[in-house]
Amino acid sequence: DAKTTQPTSMDCAEGRAANLPCNHSTISGNEYVYWYRQIHSQGPQYIIHGLKNNETNEMASLIITEDRKSSTLILPHATLRDTAVYYCIVSVRFGNEKLTFGTGTRLTIIP
Amino acid sequence: GAVVSQHPSWVICKSGTSVKIECRSLDFQATTMFWYRQFPKQSLMLMATSNEGSKATYEQGVEKDKFLINHASLTLSTLTVTSAHPEDSSFYICSARAGGNNEQFFGPGTRLTVL
Repeated sequence: DAKTTQPTSMDCAEGRAANLPCNHSTISGNEYVYWYRQIHSQGPQYIIHGLKNNETNEMASLIITEDRKSSTLILPHATLRDTAVYYCIVSVRFGNEKLTFGTGTRLTIIP
Repeated sequence: GAVVSQHPSWVICKSGTSVKIECRSLDFQATTMFWYRQFPKQSLMLMATSNEGSKATYEQGVEKDKFLINHASLTLSTLTVTSAHPEDSSFYICSARAGGNNEQFFGPGTRLTVL
């Protein structure tokens, strides 16, 4: 069962902000939104997570809509190293729920 | 912190042989480890969930007798692909979780090629 939907691919110019959308219209009240990315031939890397408030860390910002049915991951100044597949996942934070990876968004940063 | 390693990073083997892949949490104790498989241009597919000291829970369609998982300590889980065949060639990735927090930390992956 697909809990999230993301665009298949996106391009972004180097130095610009990359905005990656994710729809999660069936998210439950206790589920968080997690973002991971996978650079080619590497394991996934955790980026950020949030419940309902916007979050920011050294890698990215996460904007969650008030109804929590969608979110946007923002990479403020994209570099070539940010080229990767980005996965948006919803999951409870405490418990034994598995992380289910969808197809993600393939982000390509263009020089 | 939260570093997970895998060994080997890549392996090539002959059809019919067995291959063991190790997953270690280097700076934390992992009560739960997960094994994923990823075929080219596809997403990660969960194979099994492994809790320290107990039998692994396999996802539907994953043969437990072919993919043997051992989680004997809080820092080490192993996946053994028995009697490997070319269709088992894939990128195998482990992740580890500490305690009840659901955040997972992923290893760098192991690329298995079966000739």
